[in-house]
Amino acid sequence: KNEVEQSPQNLTAQEGEFITINCSYSVGISALHWLQQHPGGGIVSLFMLSSGKKKHGRLIATINIQEKHSSLHITASHPRDSAVYICAVSDPNKNTDKLIFGTGTRLQVFP
Amino acid sequence: DGGITQSPKYLFRKEGQNVTLSCEQNLNHDAMYWYRQDPGQGLRLIYYSQIVNDFQKGDIAEGYSVSREKKESFPLTVTSAQKNPTAFYLCASSIRHSLLGTSDSYEQYFGPGTRLTVT
Repeated sequence: KNEVEQSPQNLTAQEGEFITINCSYSVGISALHWLQQHPGGGIVSLFMLSSGKKKHGRLIATINIQEKHSSLHITASHPRDSAVYICAVSDPNKNTDKLIFGTGTRLQVFP
Repeated sequence: DGGITQSPKYLFRKEGQNVTLSCEQNLNHDAMYWYRQDPGQGLRLIYYSQIVNDFQKGDIAEGYSVSREKKESFPLTVTSAQKNPTAFYLCASSIRHSLLGTSDSYEQYFGPGTRLTVT
């Protein structure tokens, strides 16, 4: 079993729909990261959080430390949101940001 | 503009040849990382460096080598000993963030990646 599990693996939506991507982890963490990878391959960091909730534009990330679970929400989805969304956790046992990655959720938003 | 550059974007090599992938950053970050991405798998750490002239093996270091002679540069060499070198390679660097109530964590900034194909 992977230390970081994401669901669903693939997700399709119509433009305007509310989208939720889930991430569960089984290890202790110092922070959880949500990353976005576009078809060209480059990765952008969306959020880094260790508790509660963060919002940036139409994106919202929440984390429940007790349940070891995080969600990424996209409101009013748009075709340009189509990408792979990756959850990763920081290993608190090392004095470095060694990340443990999930396998990603591929999102396609159709007009 | 500050950022991370990787070159080239696409690289083709014959089996048995060593190849070096470039990674440069002008973000003044101390730590740099190399990851490998294969279809259906999460990113896996190859090597990382927290400071100039120092680096550590990641989870899949066999068949790879790195150097960190300058803060800005962290080249990765894929040697002929790497059994399955064809993959997408991503370089990253990090700055330290202090999050309230937790031990320090680092946000990572990624380069655009190099797709290596070995035939």
